[in-house]
Amino acid sequence: KNEVEQSPQNLTAQEGEFITINCSYSVGISALHWLQQHPGGGIVSLFMLSSGKKKHGRLIATINIQEKHSSLHITASHPRDSAVYICAVGSRNQFYFGTGTSLTVIP
Amino acid sequence: NAGVTQTPKFRVLKTGQSMTLLCAQDMNHEYMYWYRQDPGMGLRLIHYSVGEGTTAKGEVPDGYNVSRLKKQNFLLGLESAAPSQTSVYFCASTILQGTEAFFGQGTRLTVV
Repeated sequence: KNEVEQSPQNLTAQEGEFITINCSYSVGISALHWLQQHPGGGIVSLFMLSSGKKKHGRLIATINIQEKHSSLHITASHPRDSAVYICAVGSRNQFYFGTGTSLTVIP
Repeated sequence: NAGVTQTPKFRVLKTGQSMTLLCAQDMNHEYMYWYRQDPGMGLRLIHYSVGEGTTAKGEVPDGYNVSRLKKQNFLLGLESAAPSQTSVYFCASTILQGTEAFFGQGTRLTVV
């Protein structure tokens, strides 16, 4: 069973392109999180949201609670954005994680 | 303010050996979690704790034990390591259920 589904699994983009990563979930949630993981590195929290939209620099995250769907957008993508992006939902006493979207931005 | 610190960062074990992974947080968080990350799979919850002295099983608890004797520390133990426990282990903490999660840098464990 997959409580959280992400798409696409892999994404290659040219520098400067607008990128969208999607996340759908099937459980009731208290909040949805977008995480970033660089190769060989730790995990960093980018956003936590329970409604609407949040923006941080070139990153924008949206959530539609009724449709159980969230998107992460990256505007003007840059090679340093290359990483795995993970969607996670907080439900009851734990988090459920998607398998991640591996993004490669080519100069 | 170090956030969440995991030790060690890398370890190689022989089958049958035991070890303890330490997770320490300095944010006074109530909730702490241990996850494992395997290729092609999302992070899976091993055990978690909702406060000092309490622990609970997650999705994949077999072969692991945990303890939370102090609020800031959450220990993950492998009593008899198996090759199937080769993975990257992440610790996380949250101040309350469903709030922002802070992750450690991960521990890469190889069991040969």
